[in-house]
Formats: sequence, structure tokens, C-alpha cells
Amino acid sequence: DSGVTQTPKHLITATGQRVTLRCSPRSGDLSVYWYQQSLDQGLQFLIHYYNGEERAKGNILERFSAQQFPDLHSELNLSSLELGDSALYFCASSVASGTTAYEQYFGPGTRLTVT
Amino acid sequence: GQNIDQPTEMTATEGAIVQINCTYQTSGFNGLFWYQQHAGEAPTFLSYNVLDGLEEKGRFSSFLSRSKGYSYLLLKELQMKDSASYLCAVRDRGTGFQKLVFGTGTRLLVSP
Repeated sequence: DSGVTQTPKHLITATGQRVTLRCSPRSGDLSVYWYQQSLDQGLQFLIHYYNGEERAKGNILERFSAQQFPDLHSELNLSSLELGDSALYFCASSVASGTTAYEQYFGPGTRLTVT
Repeated sequence: GQNIDQPTEMTATEGAIVQINCTYQTSGFNGLFWYQQHAGEAPTFLSYNVLDGLEEKGRFSSFLSRSKGYSYLLLKELQMKDSASYLCAVRDRGTGFQKLVFGTGTRLLVSP
């Protein structure tokens, strides 16, 4: 158990809908990262937040947005869902952000199925 | 941009040693991570290299050569539970200090 929690574990929804995925980082971690992992694809970095502020963006679609709240939990919002958005969405957290490397601890993921 | 290459799949026998290679191209290398991921589960951290050389952690070791853009993960005394995907990830200054770029992973199958 990494200490990172994600809800829900599974989500099944229809095309065109909007969903919200939630992540709580490990106690004391200020950084939260979101990744998408499609079938047979590597982990694709979506976005990084540090202490409530956006720090880095990957190839995140405009239909997707995220935020980190004062209590440090984060939400990833996916809208106008398409079949291709079906994937495992992972959240990870680390101690800090900056020049020092810290390993990222991953949550169990949310499996999203768009039908 | 970054380019990370790993073999797609490898097989090995229980008790044996296996080496999983990773080559990368980045403009501002700032560290390399190895993660293990069982199917449908979260990746778990295995090792981190930022300087050239070998880092040993029990049955697992990781090696880095920055001049060659090359790393390997060495797994000794293989066990059935080592069957998993092994992900190589590179930290690149040009993409933000804490952004990791992952390879597509190497699926390792350990047979009895």
C-alpha cells in the first residue's frame, strides 16, 4: 500500500458524459501527478500540481482539467468523453517539487470504461 | 523530445538472472527510475540512478551510463512473483523537473 488513495476504483459511463476522479496523496506529500495508461500503452503524463499550483502539463486534452485543493487532494475532470478515453488513470504523489528527484508513489488507479 | 526504448517482452526461468535494457535520448537528463507494475495494478518504485554506475538493492540492481544513454535493470534469483512489466522512466530538465517520461515497459514472464 503506497498511501495514495484513488476513488472510484471502477467507472463505467457513456460517450459525451463527464466524470471526476479523485486522489488523496500520501500524508506530507505536496505534489500530485496524473497519468493515463491505455491498453498496451505506456504511462502518459497528464499534469502535475504542487501545493495547489499547476507545475507541469503533458499531452492533456482540453476536455480534461484538474485541480489541487487546500487539503492537497486532487481531482481530474474528464468531459465530453470518447471511447478512446477508456484507460487506467493513475495518481501519484511525491514529497516535493524542484531540482531534487523524489520517487513518485502511485495510487491503485481508476479504471474508466466509456461505452 | 524524449525517446525511451525497452524490449517489449522477455522470458526467463525461475532462479535465473535477467537483464532488462533501456536506452533513452533526452536533451537534459536528470535521473532515471525503474518501476515494477503487475497487470492492472499500480507501478511500484524499484530504483533510481542519476550518476553513472551500479545501484544494488537486494535481488535487484540498476546500472546507468549517461554517456551512452543506457540503463539496465538486473534481477537475480528470479521468482514467479517477478512476472510483471518493468518500466523505465526518465526525468528531463527540459520538460520540468518532476515530470517523468515512461517507456512502454518490458513484460517479463518467469516460468518454472
